[in-house]
Parts: sequence; structure tokens; C-alpha cells
Amino acid sequence: GQQLNQSPQSMFIQEGEDVSMNCTSSSIFNTWLWYKQDPGEGPVLLIALYKAGELTSNGRLTAQFGITRKDSFLNISASIPSDVGIYFCAGYYGSSNTGKLIFGQGTTLQVKP
Amino acid sequence: GAVVSQHPSRVICKSGTSVKIECRSLDFQATTMFWYRQFPKQSLMLMATSNEGSKATYEQGVEKDKFLINHASLTLSTLTVTSAHPEDSSFYICSASRGVSTEAFFGQGTRLTVV
Repeated sequence: GQQLNQSPQSMFIQEGEDVSMNCTSSSIFNTWLWYKQDPGEGPVLLIALYKAGELTSNGRLTAQFGITRKDSFLNISASIPSDVGIYFCAGYYGSSNTGKLIFGQGTTLQVKP
Repeated sequence: GAVVSQHPSRVICKSGTSVKIECRSLDFQATTMFWYRQFPKQSLMLMATSNEGSKATYEQGVEKDKFLINHASLTLSTLTVTSAHPEDSSFYICSASRGVSTEAFFGQGTRLTVV
């Protein structure tokens, strides 16, 4: 089936540093979504991207939908301790009636105060 | 963002019994709902996609007779784990969207433990 390859798997950074993570696939996706998940809870939507080349920001977060529609990245600027968590990319593929939403493997972010 | 409520958040059941998990979109109509299973420290694995009023589409390897999905209305989908066994213990999460390829919002998840 379709796969999303997310990297890096984990990051341990100092507070105030910028963070970048990305997802790639061999298939074309219609929509890219970025989520953050805290332990024992459901993912929370951070950013949604709908058009190839689209660059969208949400506070300190910025994400882009790759031109080829096969990749996306998420940047977090000036990280703070509450940024700790697992970040997932997710993508829709398929037809308008049977689209599926699949997830990357996740990036675990740890921030050292 | 939109609100999706999943219930129960935790459930413990005996082996051989069935468990029903509800997923409700509280402030929007969800034409599409997804059900996922998540193992510790792993990603979300898509189990099935359901569109309101039609049968769910199951992913390869997911037993449709064991994981019954009903999307009876635009605000409610249910997942019933039938004849549960310890290996069914997991974190189950639903998500709802207004349509395919649009934003999907997640419930809080259900921690199922089968003893």
C-alpha cells in the first residue's frame, strides 16, 4: 500500500532552536496534514495543506506542500518546552469518493530547557 | 478546529465479549470517518474508512467481521470489537472530516484492554 516516510525519527534539541522534519512518498497526495500527539491522546491538527507549492504558517509553525505533491515539510521556530511530543505527517490519496488518510511514522521531539 | 468526541476513553473487557466505541462529531457533519489502531510508540494504522450511509472500506488484513463499523449518521460512527481477545488490546482512534481530502479531526482515543 501507500507509504509515507517521515524523518527524522527523533530529535533532541535545545530550547530556542529551530526544528525541521519532512515526509516523502513515491505517490502523489491530494492533501497534506501535520499533527501533534501527546501521550494517551488523539492527534491534534496543526496545519493543513491543499495545493502543491503552498506554504502555510500557524504561529511558530510553517509547513509546505511540495511541488511534486510527493513531499511536505514542517518547521518549528524558536522551540519551547511545550513543543515536546510526537509529530505526524498525514496525507490523503485516492479519488474524491474513496480517499484514504495515512500517516507517517512520526517524529519524537524532545526540548531541553 | 472542529470537535470530535470518542467514548469511552478507557475500557477493560473480558475475553470473548464485544466492545462498542463511539465517535461523534459535535459541531460539524462528518461525511467521512476513519478508524485507526495505534500500538505503543508506533504510528496510526488505518483500519477502515467509512462514508455516511455506505459500508466501510477495510484495509488489507483487517477483519471486517471482527471490527464492525457503522456510520449511521453524519455525526456518529461506531466501531464494535467482537469476541475480543487479548491481542485486540490497543489504542483505537477515530477521526472525522467534512469530506475526502479535507481536514480530519481526531477523537481522544480509546484504550482497550482485554483480559
